[in-house]
Amino acid sequence: DAGITQSPRHKVTETGTPVTLRCHQTENHRYMYWYRQDPGHGLRLIHYSYGVKDTDKGEVSDGYSVSRSKTEDFLLTLESATSSQTSVYFCATTGAWGSEQYFGPGTRLTVT
Amino acid sequence: AQRVTQPEKLLSVFKGAPVELKCNYSYSGSPELFWYVQYSRQRLQLLLRHISRESIKGFTADLNKGETSFHLKKPFAQEEDSAMYYCALLNPGQNFVFGPGTRLSVLP
Repeated sequence: DAGITQSPRHKVTETGTPVTLRCHQTENHRYMYWYRQDPGHGLRLIHYSYGVKDTDKGEVSDGYSVSRSKTEDFLLTLESATSSQTSVYFCATTGAWGSEQYFGPGTRLTVT
Repeated sequence: AQRVTQPEKLLSVFKGAPVELKCNYSYSGSPELFWYVQYSRQRLQLLLRHISRESIKGFTADLNKGETSFHLKKPFAQEEDSAMYYCALLNPGQNFVFGPGTRLSVLP
């Protein structure tokens, strides 16, 4: 499991509220990713990081921001949650280019 | 742009029957291709990658550059193979592109 944890594992929030999801890894992996998983779409990349304070946008980054102040933590923030952001969010890491991605257990977010 | 397609949302086969999960990709360079699997209530995990040419849990996948395909095959399906399968492509920018997934259901 590459020591990847996500918190919270489940969250229900109201439209318009801010939400922060946390990904924590203990493998000292350089690359970290946030995906959302939706039926019919598979996994879509939201944001990724290639080092501390180095982040970039993915395919579906609108409405999301990220921060990485330490190697082990990658935070995903929804500034003002919308119902379209109801999804399962996965964090992943890789230690080197071209290597296997290791996934966290996922966070199920429901925006009412 | 890189794209991965998996035409079947759901594939049902009987135990002991052969199974083939289709994956096609669009990519202009030399792709790195992977199959990930997600069993019920478990996290995604790597099943196999084309450069290793391994057979994992009886599954194999051959990269066909002419047909831009990376189909996953197993000669005799088992009930424990029931899961969600994702084909993924790795691009030079270190970003994985995942297909929409195929849910495999192996019936007893």
